[in-house]
Formats: sequence, structure tokens, C-alpha cells
Amino acid sequence: GQQVMQIPQYQHVQEGEDFTTYCNSSTTLSNIQWYKQRPGGHPVFLIQLVKSGEVKKQKRLTFQFGEAKKNSSLHITATQTTDVGTYFCAVSGGSYIPTFGRGTSLIVHP
Amino acid sequence: EAQVTQNPRYLITVTGKKLTVTCSQNMNHEYMSWYRQDPGLGLRQIYYSMNVEVTDKGDVPEGYKVSRKEKRNFPLILESPSPNQTSLYFCASSLSAGGRTEAFFGQGTRLTVV
Repeated sequence: GQQVMQIPQYQHVQEGEDFTTYCNSSTTLSNIQWYKQRPGGHPVFLIQLVKSGEVKKQKRLTFQFGEAKKNSSLHITATQTTDVGTYFCAVSGGSYIPTFGRGTSLIVHP
Repeated sequence: EAQVTQNPRYLITVTGKKLTVTCSQNMNHEYMSWYRQDPGLGLRQIYYSMNVEVTDKGDVPEGYKVSRKEKRNFPLILESPSPNQTSLYFCASSLSAGGRTEAFFGQGTRLTVV
């Protein structure tokens, strides 16, 4: 399947600090999705980006799709303890098999 | 309520004893898939199904079987489980082919093979 690199693997932040996770591909992507998995839970869909350079916001979360459609980022402003979890990107470069990144685990210290 | 239901949630079994993990969705989705999640490796797709009677291998299909006799159900079968199949398993469904529409995940099945 499609290869995608997600960094960092872990991120510790103090509550109130910002957080960013990146997803990078060596090939052009048709779209990218982001999911959040709370500890002990299942992945839950957050958003899908399709257009080159697209930026979408959900409250304190900002999602970006690169101009070349090879990378994406998820930025959280002023993290809260409710943001704790693992954030995954999922890509489909053209096959029927979506590829998930290995995820970034966000740990928020109160 | 739209949902994907997996059973059981937890299972401990012995090597070689056949088991089935059930998955059912109530959203009339055509695309269903199974993933395993292991620490540091993210979600890896085992098998997927585009529609009834249409199944295909994902990235890690060895040791697993699936069937899709009805649109709503997509059971995962381990004919002879081995300890390296100890993992957290998720079933997912989506309206269309993987990665193009939102995927809905089940609650997960934590399998331990001893």
C-alpha cells in the first residue's frame, strides 16, 4: 500500500501549549483523512482534505494539505486534557487500501 | 444510531483453537475492512471487502480469513491462531472504497493467544 510517514511518534506538552503532527508521503495523494483515538478507544474520523493547499478548522484544530498534496499537518492551539490521544492520518494514493500513519500520541500535562 | 458492532470485546484463547470475531454495521455501507493495531505500528489492514461476496487481501492477511455473505456482516476468522496474532483488532466500514469516505470503526477486540 501507499507509504506515509507520521511524526513525531510522541509529544508531551503542558496544558495550554500548542501541538502539531505531520504526515508526509513520497507520492501525490488523492486525499488525506485525520482520525483521533482516545486511550482505550477506537479511531474516530475528524476530517478529510482533498484540495491542494486546503486549510480547514474545527475549533482549536487546524488541518492543512500541502500544495503538492504530499504532506499534511494537524495543529492544535492551546491544548487541553481532552485532546489526549493518538492522532492518525490516513491516505489513499489510488488503491482501495487506505494506509494509516503510525500515529502521534499526544500527552497533555495539567 | 449509526454504528459498527464487534464481538467479543476481549478474548483469550489458546494456540490453534479456531475463533471468529464478528462485525456488523447498520449503515448499509458497501466497503468493510479489518485492521490490527500493534504498538508503534499503527493500523494495518488485514482484509477488505468492496461488497457482498467480494473480498481481497490487505497488507497483512496471513493467518486470517474473512467472508462477506451479507452486506452488514464481515466476520474475521482465525483458523489456527498463533501468539503473534495477539493484537487489538478493529472492524471498519465506509460508504465507498477505503480512504475516500469517512471510516466508522467498531469498539475493538483485544485478542490474546497463549
